Order: sequence, then C-alpha cells, then structure tokens
Amino acid sequence: DTGVSQDPRHKITKRGQNVTFRCDPISEHNRLYWYRQTLGQGPEFLTYFQNEAQLEKSRLLSDRFSAERPKGSFSTLEIQRTEQGDSAMYLCASSLWDRDYNEQFFGPGTRLTVL
Amino acid sequence: DQQVKQNSPSLSVQEGRISILNCDYTNSMFDYFLWYKKYPAEGPTFLISISSIKDKNEDGRFTVFLNKSAKHLSLHIVPSQPGDSAVYFCAASDAQGGSEKLVFGKGTKLTVNP
Repeated sequence: DTGVSQDPRHKITKRGQNVTFRCDPISEHNRLYWYRQTLGQGPEFLTYFQNEAQLEKSRLLSDRFSAERPKGSFSTLEIQRTEQGDSAMYLCASSLWDRDYNEQFFGPGTRLTVL
Repeated sequence: DQQVKQNSPSLSVQEGRISILNCDYTNSMFDYFLWYKKYPAEGPTFLISISSIKDKNEDGRFTVFLNKSAKHLSLHIVPSQPGDSAVYFCAASDAQGGSEKLVFGKGTKLTVNP
C-alpha cells in the first residue's frame, strides 16, 4: 500500500498522560499536514511541514502539542498532559508541492480517546 | 467564524439520479477548492478540485462548478450509485497566498437509495 499510513489507529489514554502518533506520508511527497476532526465537524488544520521545516501552525496547536518531521519523511505528533477535550480523530495528509495547486491525500487517522 | 459552509447536513437521492451538493465560502482570498468523500472510520478521500481560474471541472461522474461572484461551488454526481453514500466535505485554501492549509465545511451526508 503506497498511501498515507498512521499509527496507531486507536489510542485510549487517561487524562494527564502523554501520547505520540506517527504518520508516514506517500514516499515522494514533500509536504505533510496534521488535522484534527471532532464529531460533526470537518477536519481542522493544525500544522504542516515542507520537508523537515514546520511552515505554519494553527492557534489550535497549544503548547502541549508538538510536531516533528526530523528527516523530512515520517512525522510525529505528541500531546503532553492530555485533556478530555483532546479526544478527536487526528488526521495526517501529504502532498507533492510542485505547482500552484496541490491535492492533499489523507491517511486513515488516529482516534484518540482521553478518559 | 465559519469560512466554508455546507448548509445541508444530509441529502437523500435515488440511484441513477443526480446528486447536487452545495458549498458556500466567505473568504475572497480562497482560490483553490476541493471535494473529499469520507466513509466511517476512514480518512477523507480526494475526489475532485477546481482552481479559481476555472468555473467547471469534470472527472467521470463528478463535476464541480464554481461561481466566484456568488462565492458558491457545487458538486454534481451523475448518475448516483449506492456506493456514493458517504459524507462529503468541501474544502478551500488560499494557495496563491502561500497557505496550504485547507479549511473544511462541516460535511453533507449523502445517502443513495437503491
């Protein structure tokens, strides 16, 4: 399968614990994005990378959230001291930025439940 | 403030008929628009896109129309099939402005009845 993959698919944690999610983009894609989706809403942008550089961060990304893409390939999203409001589907997407308009292709998501 | 609006939470059509899903936006800087389909427990799947220099783009059974003056776009599916039943999201970005972030609507749940 050459699509975007995410691990784990599901994560249940207790409030106050730290969690880390991984995203592997489509291999030739140089841009990687993180979104969050809650029930009844569309995905909301969190941050994106071009290669290893983090180019934009949303105000939704509080200081408890950190994302990295150390070698310009896979990315991790860490949430420290989780809160119940962090429960959501975390989606990763990637694109090949080579022209003005570029489609983003999404992975299956990681569903986080904070108890 | 919701910059991308899908005012119909749900739509039901008969197999073989046309499905029309609508989307309105408020940010005049948006210049790239995409439609995604989402099944439960899966990530969104890219369907079709259109840039602001066009007013129509067609791909098989899917056609997207863009009316810039009205800040409105629509997705037409002809003919509709039961496998098209899913939640459809409209998304927009200010691509020429250098922002790659997509702003999504809340989605429209399409049900195609056999």
